Amino acid sequence: ETGVTQTPRHLVMGMTNKKSLKCEQHLGHNAMYWYKQSAKKPLELMFVYNFKEQTENNSVPSRFSPECPNSSHLFLHLHTLQPEDSALYLCASSQDLEGAKTQYFGPGTRLLVL
Amino acid sequence: GQNIDQPTEMTATEGAIVQINCTYQTSGFNGLFWYQQHAGEAPTFLSYNVLDGLEEKGRFSSFLSRSKGYSYLLLKELQMKDSASYLCAAMDSNYQLIWGAGTKLIIKP
Repeated sequence: ETGVTQTPRHLVMGMTNKKSLKCEQHLGHNAMYWYKQSAKKPLELMFVYNFKEQTENNSVPSRFSPECPNSSHLFLHLHTLQPEDSALYLCASSQDLEGAKTQYFGPGTRLLVL
Repeated sequence: GQNIDQPTEMTATEGAIVQINCTYQTSGFNGLFWYQQHAGEAPTFLSYNVLDGLEEKGRFSSFLSRSKGYSYLLLKELQMKDSASYLCAAMDSNYQLIWGAGTKLIIKP
């Protein structure tokens, strides 16, 4: 257990559905991240939040909408996704964004878009 | 551009030693991370190097050469549970992690 939990672990959705991914960290961290992991590709950073404020949006399509209500929780709202969005979505947290801080990951949500 | 290179897949024998190499090119450098990821699980932190040299942690060691843009992860006395993907990531001048695609390590009895 890394102290970062994600739900659901698996999700199948149609292109017209709306769903949300949830991440919760129990480490007292202030920075949280969403990553996309596709087979045989490097992790792609999607969004970064620090003290609930979004500090990074790596040109992510608007069909992905993040929400960070507090430093412990992070959501990724999904709507009108495409089949190429099928991937493992990983949440991570770190103490903050000052200096070189280790990121701790959740187990991910395996998403399949039909 | 920023880039990380590591082998896609390696195979080793239980009880043996394996070295997983990683080369990096980043805008500035604030250290090199190694993570282990078992299939279907979270990547877990293994090591962090920012100075040249070898850091040993039990059966795992990590080496860094900043002048060569090179790191390796050394796994000794391999066990079946070491079968996993190993992710190399370099931290750039903005403290952002640049990730490699991972090396899948297969351990055979």
